[in-house]
Amino acid sequence: GNSVTQMEGPVTLSEEAFLTINCTYTATGYPSLFWYVQYPGEGLQLLLKATKADDKGSNKGFEATYRKETTSFHLEKGSVQVSDSAVYFCALTTDSWGKLQFGAGTQVVVTP
Amino acid sequence: GAGVSQSPSNKVTEKGKDVELRCDPISGHTALYWYRQRLGQGLEFLIYFQGNSAPDKSGLPSDRFSAERTGESVSTLTIQRTQQEDSAVYLCASSLVSRNTDTQYFGPGTRLTVL
Repeated sequence: GNSVTQMEGPVTLSEEAFLTINCTYTATGYPSLFWYVQYPGEGLQLLLKATKADDKGSNKGFEATYRKETTSFHLEKGSVQVSDSAVYFCALTTDSWGKLQFGAGTQVVVTP
Repeated sequence: GAGVSQSPSNKVTEKGKDVELRCDPISGHTALYWYRQRLGQGLEFLIYFQGNSAPDKSGLPSDRFSAERTGESVSTLTIQRTQQEDSAVYLCASSLVSRNTDTQYFGPGTRLTVL
């Protein structure tokens, strides 16, 4: 079956620091990969996605590259802000109709 | 435009009671998904609708769980004879079409607490 593993949190870092959240997956078939973010008090929203190998998804200064050879989709941001404090979820789908499978989520806390 | 809405936002019930959770998807979205998030865990898929039919119910954890969708719009998730392990946040999402590259838009969720 499919599974998504992401690093445990909380991850605490200072403003302007570099952020990496590791995500690896196992999948039957060729998955599409996603990062979702949940800001405090808000609903889950798509941050970025990649649908084929070597694609790079990017949004709001965040990037992630679909690495088929290492079955990874690590999320990075070069300089975080306090407003990036949130829970980040890595997810995949191999289903033609888009059923998502999520990792457990990683809480990120950015301090001024 | 309006996003996905869910009601109620919070529901506290006693073990053994039935509950109904409602989801209003974005207008025109043909695909609708239900997920749940138990404390400290990732989201688990429950059921998927394409229009009013449910081609994938594989995530429903037991026959106490059922869902329907009417008018290619509103969906209701019903849990009968609730148990404490049903306590979770139930999330609904919709997408324009059911395709694995499409963005799913999530509602704010219903927090269910079973005492």
